[in-house]
Amino acid sequence: SQKIEQNSEALNIQEGKTATLTCNYTNYSPAYLQWYRQDPGRGPVFLLLIRENEKEKRKERLKVTFDTTLKQSLFHITASQPADSATYLCALPLGRSNTGKLIFGQGTTLQVKP
Amino acid sequence: DAGVIQSPRHEVTEMGQEVTLRCKPISGHDYLFWYRQTMMRGLELLIYFNNNVPIDDSGMPEDRFSAKMPNASFSTLKIQPSEPRDSAVYFCASSFFGRGRGTEAFFGQGTRLTVV
Repeated sequence: SQKIEQNSEALNIQEGKTATLTCNYTNYSPAYLQWYRQDPGRGPVFLLLIRENEKEKRKERLKVTFDTTLKQSLFHITASQPADSATYLCALPLGRSNTGKLIFGQGTTLQVKP
Repeated sequence: DAGVIQSPRHEVTEMGQEVTLRCKPISGHDYLFWYRQTMMRGLELLIYFNNNVPIDDSGMPEDRFSAKMPNASFSTLKIQPSEPRDSAVYFCASSFFGRGRGTEAFFGQGTRLTVV
C-alpha cells in the first residue's frame, strides 16, 4: 500500500542554521507533492507544491526538492528563526488524478532555538 | 473570506452519545474533506465530497460514522454512538480544482473531541 515516512524524531537546530526535513514515499508515483505547516491547536497550512517534472522549488526562505527516482522530497528552511518552530507535514495525492485526495505523513516537529 | 469554519472547537461527551461536527467550507470551493488526527495515526482522510456528492468514504472507520453535505456551504460529520477511541481532533478542509488553480487544501481550526 502507499506509504509516506517522515522522521518522527523532533529536529532541534540553532537560529540562523538551515533546517532540512525529509519525506520518503513508497509504492506509487505521485504527480505532485505538498508541504504543510501545523502549529499547536491549529489546522495545517499549505506552504509549497512541487510537481513531478520539477526538481526544485523556492519560496522566500523555503526550498523543496523532489527526486522521483529516490522517491524522496527534501524541505529546507534557510536562516531559520524561532518563529519557524512547528510541525511540518508532507502530503501526496492518492492516485494520479487531480482530486486533491491527499494522504499525509506523520510530520516532523522542528524546534529552532535562539 | 473567513476560511473554513468548524464548530464546535471543543466537544466533551459521554460514551454512547451522539456527536455532530459542523463545517462551512470556503465559498466557491468544490471539494470538501473530513480528516481525523491522533498522535498514533497522524492525519487520516475519512471521507471527501465533490460538488456536495460523497466520492470516497473508505476512510470512515465504522458504520457509527456518517457524513452529509446538504449544500455547498455546509457539511456535518456524525458519530453515533460515540466511543472513547473516537477521541481525536477532527479537521474539515476544502479545495478548488478549477483550471489554473492550485490543488492545496485549506483546513479549518479543527474540533477537539473527547469521549469519556
